[in-house]
Amino acid sequence: GAGVSQSPRYKVAKRGQDVALRCDPISGHVSLFWYQQALGQGPEFLTYFQNEAQLDKSGLPSDRFFAERPEGSVSTLKIQRTQQEDSAVYLCASSFVTSGSLYEQYFGPGTRLTVT
Amino acid sequence: GESVGLHLPTLSVQEGDNSIINCAYSNSASDYFIWYKQESGKGPQFIIDIRSNMDKRQGQRVTVLLNKTVKHLSLQIAATQPGDSAVYFCAVYRGNNDMRFGAGTRLTVKP
Repeated sequence: GAGVSQSPRYKVAKRGQDVALRCDPISGHVSLFWYQQALGQGPEFLTYFQNEAQLDKSGLPSDRFFAERPEGSVSTLKIQRTQQEDSAVYLCASSFVTSGSLYEQYFGPGTRLTVT
Repeated sequence: GESVGLHLPTLSVQEGDNSIINCAYSNSASDYFIWYKQESGKGPQFIIDIRSNMDKRQGQRVTVLLNKTVKHLSLQIAATQPGDSAVYFCAVYRGNNDMRFGAGTRLTVKP
């Protein structure tokens, strides 16, 4: 079956622009995660949804970052007034697990955001 | 705070040799330890996990060893193949949705 898909795969934004990154999780996966991966680093947690509920947004670096999953399926990560330090790969992951072994996550290919 | 690190940023091995990738962690209150593989242009892919009450677990060509005394985790890949070339991340999972990744080791397999 289809895996997690993300779009766009690459995004170049000028400093100050707003961007929206989309994630299509695996069908039926209840849990959805967003991570930020800086060059040469491991992914860092941003936020977690269970269905449409955003249960944890403790990793969002500032109030310029906003995520939503209104119908419990597709999710959008929005970054307002992008800054150069926002340049990274943004990974989305989904899981059929809702508790317990939530580390069993299926990752999408990521969106590489470059802010110039 | 938690830190998850790897001993070497890069590892180069000959095809057919065994590979060992190491990881150190700081927080003992972790339920699971996990290894992910990330190929260029792709997201991380789950390889194998080990629960904190175990010290060894084997999968297909991979073995994970956990030494809680020295807070050390390793991934052993038997008969390394060119398709194993990737960045390998260890991660610690502390329950709920709390998963922390290390910085990664780039494994290069020479033909």
